Amino acid sequence: DGGITQSPKYLFRKEGQNVTLSCEQNLNHDAMYWYRQDPGQGLRLIYYSQIVNDFQKGDIAEGYSVSREKKESFPLTVTSAQKNPTAFYLCASQTQGLGNQPQHFGDGTRLSIL
Amino acid sequence: GENVEQHPSTLSVQEGDSAVIKCTYSDSASNYFPWYKQELGKRPQLIIDIRSNVGEKKDQRIAVTLNKTAKHFSLHITETQPEDSAVYFCAASGNNRLAFGKGNQVVVIP
Repeated sequence: DGGITQSPKYLFRKEGQNVTLSCEQNLNHDAMYWYRQDPGQGLRLIYYSQIVNDFQKGDIAEGYSVSREKKESFPLTVTSAQKNPTAFYLCASQTQGLGNQPQHFGDGTRLSIL
Repeated sequence: GENVEQHPSTLSVQEGDSAVIKCTYSDSASNYFPWYKQELGKRPQLIIDIRSNVGEKKDQRIAVTLNKTAKHFSLHITETQPEDSAVYFCAASGNNRLAFGKGNQVVVIP
């Protein structure tokens, strides 16, 4: 899974601040996903994109925003409206936006509040 | 949407014994069921997957079985080793997205 790069590895957010998490893939995958992982909660879907210039809300999109201007990039912004942002954020990609293909994950970004 | 549940939440096994984790899903239209292994602080890694047109798949010490009628699938790890200790997630495809279970902590006792 070395084809998916997330940065930074650790990120700290101040009160009222927006922060952006980077996700880049060189696998030529059409679909990309953002998940939030909290202890004991598994992986919860924030946003996903099946094609460039298009994306859909997942199960917990409130307080987050995304863009998909390029096929290889899918940045996630955690806005000040997200009151509990402390979590491990995982980006994933998939060959096509179909349900029957494996998703491959990046190494994650751990976000904490200062 | 799809709902996936995993049981048990924590599983301890003696080294060399077998471990079995079971997942149930709700959407009968789901047709793809991957299993991921996640070590502490690391990315989830795909270890095996199965599609709805087969009932069982094996890869060395790991196997997955699928019962579409009962809507459950299971991960079997034989001859467990300390490096098998991790959190295991099951998932099921529904509406062109994967729904994940909450994970099982597997502890292999040397």
